[in-house]
Amino acid sequence: DQQVKQNSPSLSVQEGRISILNCDYTNSMFDYFLWYKKYPAEGPTFLISISSIKDKNEDGRFTVFLNKSAKHLSLHIVPSQPGDSAVYFCAASKSGANNLFFGTGTRLTVIP
Amino acid sequence: DTGVSQNPRHKITKRGQNVTFRCDPISEHNRLYWYRQTLGQGPEFLTYFQNEAQLEKSRLLSDRFSAERPKGSFSTLEIQRTEQGDSAMYLCASSLSSRRNYGYTFGSGTRLTVV
Repeated sequence: DQQVKQNSPSLSVQEGRISILNCDYTNSMFDYFLWYKKYPAEGPTFLISISSIKDKNEDGRFTVFLNKSAKHLSLHIVPSQPGDSAVYFCAASKSGANNLFFGTGTRLTVIP
Repeated sequence: DTGVSQNPRHKITKRGQNVTFRCDPISEHNRLYWYRQTLGQGPEFLTYFQNEAQLEKSRLLSDRFSAERPKGSFSTLEIQRTEQGDSAMYLCASSLSSRRNYGYTFGSGTRLTVV
């Protein structure tokens, strides 16, 4: 049972434009959400997170938006750079739980 | 600190053999996690340690799997009588219990291939 879903396996964006990566979840008990970036042959790297008490969190070129009523979050990268090309995983956790639930990832390609 | 270190990076083994992986977390991190990632999937939780205590195990962790974290430092994950379905990337991560908003720090993983 996939509780965190990333329905777009891949996304291509021109350098300098905005990249929008989407994530949906089914478990209303999730209260914390994270995005990880993964390069080939490396482990996932933490990128940005958001608590369910917020609807937006921004860190430089990266912004995460949370729509709790729709059980949807998105990661915006602007402007996109070729170095952003990687697989992006959305993850969620429940208060008091010790594990993360990951989506299947979206491969972002930023075209120079 | 060089981050989370995992060894070996790659392991090829014959079906039925036992394998052991090692993870060295960031030294001040008291929490350690093992995840497994198969092709086209996101990481899936296997088990979690706080210091030396193994506090949670996923149902994915069959009886053939065992993990230890002696003295709350490095951790080992052993798979006995490996099966082809065990072929995956095994990821270790660590964190500080008080810093939920900073996520985990993952290692580069051990890729297991069972032939």
